[in-house]
Amino acid sequence: DGGITQSPKYLFRKEGQNVTLSCEQNLNHDAMYWYRQDPGQGLRLIYYSQIVNDFQKGDIAEGYSVSREKKESFPLTVTSAQKNPTAFYLCASGTSGQNEQFFGPGTRLTVL
Amino acid sequence: GQQLNQSPQSMFIQEGEDVSMNCTSSSIFNTWLWYKQDPGEGPVLLIALYKAGELTSNGRLTAQFGITRKDSFLNISASIPSDVGIYFCAGQLAEYGNKLVFGAGTILRVKS
Repeated sequence: DGGITQSPKYLFRKEGQNVTLSCEQNLNHDAMYWYRQDPGQGLRLIYYSQIVNDFQKGDIAEGYSVSREKKESFPLTVTSAQKNPTAFYLCASGTSGQNEQFFGPGTRLTVL
Repeated sequence: GQQLNQSPQSMFIQEGEDVSMNCTSSSIFNTWLWYKQDPGEGPVLLIALYKAGELTSNGRLTAQFGITRKDSFLNISASIPSDVGIYFCAGQLAEYGNKLVFGAGTILRVKS
C-alpha cells in the first residue's frame, strides 16, 4: 500500500527543545518537501530535496534543519531557534520533472 | 515571494448548488494544481493542469488553466455535504523548478 506517512500525528514540546518530525514515503519519489501551514494562510515551503544527500532551503527555512540520507525518508528538525514553531507541518513527495506533489497526513506541533 | 490570490476566502453552500472559485497572479505559471484539505488532514490532489486553455474534469469537478497562464478556476457542480473543506490552488513557475506556490485557500461550509 503505497503512500506517505508522517509521525506522530500530534506532538507537544516545551519551549527551547529541539524536536524531529518523521516523513517516510514508499512511492519511489525522488523529490520530497516540507511545508508549514498556519490558519488562514497557504502552505509555505520550509525545505525541499530533489535527490538523496542534497536539499535546499525554501521560503521559511530559518530555525529548521533537514537530512536526506535515504530516498524514502526526509526528517525535519524544528530547533529552538524557530521563534514560533506551533503549526501544522506537512510533508509531500513527487517525481522529479513532474510538478504534482502528494501530501502526507501532517503533524500538529504544539510548543508549550 | 510569489503571490497567488485565491477567492473567495470562504463561502457557504447549499446541497445541489454549483460552486466556483479562482486563483489569479501577476506571474505566468507552467502548471496549476487544485487540492482539497479536510480538517486535520493533508491536502489531496484533485486536478492537475499543464497547458494554457486546458479544461479538465474529475467527476463533478472541472478546472481550467487560463489562456493568459496567470489564472485558473475550479467549479464544483451539484455540491454535496462532503464537499466541505478547504480548497487550495497551487502554481508552478518555470524559474522555481518543481517548487509550488500556494493560494491561501477557499473554505467551503454548509448553509444551515
